[in-house]
Amino acid sequence: SQKIEQNSEALNIQEGKTATLTCNYTNYSPAYLQWYRQDPGRGPVFLLLIRENEKEKRKERLKVTFDTTLKQSLFHITASQPADSATYLCALWTGRRALTFGSGTRLQVQP
Amino acid sequence: NAGVTQTPKFQVLKTGQSMTLQCAQDMNHNSMYWYRQDPGMGLRLIYYSASEGTTDKGEVPNGYNVSRLNKREFSLRLESAAPSQTSVYFCASSELAGSETQYFGPGTRLLVL
Repeated sequence: SQKIEQNSEALNIQEGKTATLTCNYTNYSPAYLQWYRQDPGRGPVFLLLIRENEKEKRKERLKVTFDTTLKQSLFHITASQPADSATYLCALWTGRRALTFGSGTRLQVQP
Repeated sequence: NAGVTQTPKFQVLKTGQSMTLQCAQDMNHNSMYWYRQDPGMGLRLIYYSASEGTTDKGEVPNGYNVSRLNKREFSLRLESAAPSQTSVYFCASSELAGSETQYFGPGTRLLVL
């Protein structure tokens, strides 16, 4: 069956460190992969998109990598801040229907 | 621009009652979506509308109906609510189906007793 896996355990890091979140998928061949941020009680907000023919994408302190051989995307936040604390969702689009979302990883940045 | 708006914000229903969740977007997007979010389950697609006049089932459509009233509005109806439908419901829109970015509303928290 098709599956998207994100670490369900919260990731706790110190302010200033780099946070790395993982998204693994099986039985998909996504055309692109997206990352969203979700704060408690709010809807997800789009952060970055990376296409299947791209290895890496950057936006300010954010970096996403996409390895279609490993079927994995890594999401990095450098110089993390307490304001980066949130749940981060990955989502795949395979060209059919709509996006398929992972269950998200909660990031807690300690001051 | 308000983006994507949803009403109500919170609702309590008794088993068997019906209700309609409303969603509207002011970004002139063609595609609209309804998701539910449960703890540990992530966002699951209920129904989507790729364009005005079309609707399609998503991953978990049972117990729900939708109406794409016009380009702006996409409603979700629960005809006979069940406790298993207790969830947070999100509406989203995008320029095109499968388009790069989906814009989400603030969500409706539904409790079915």
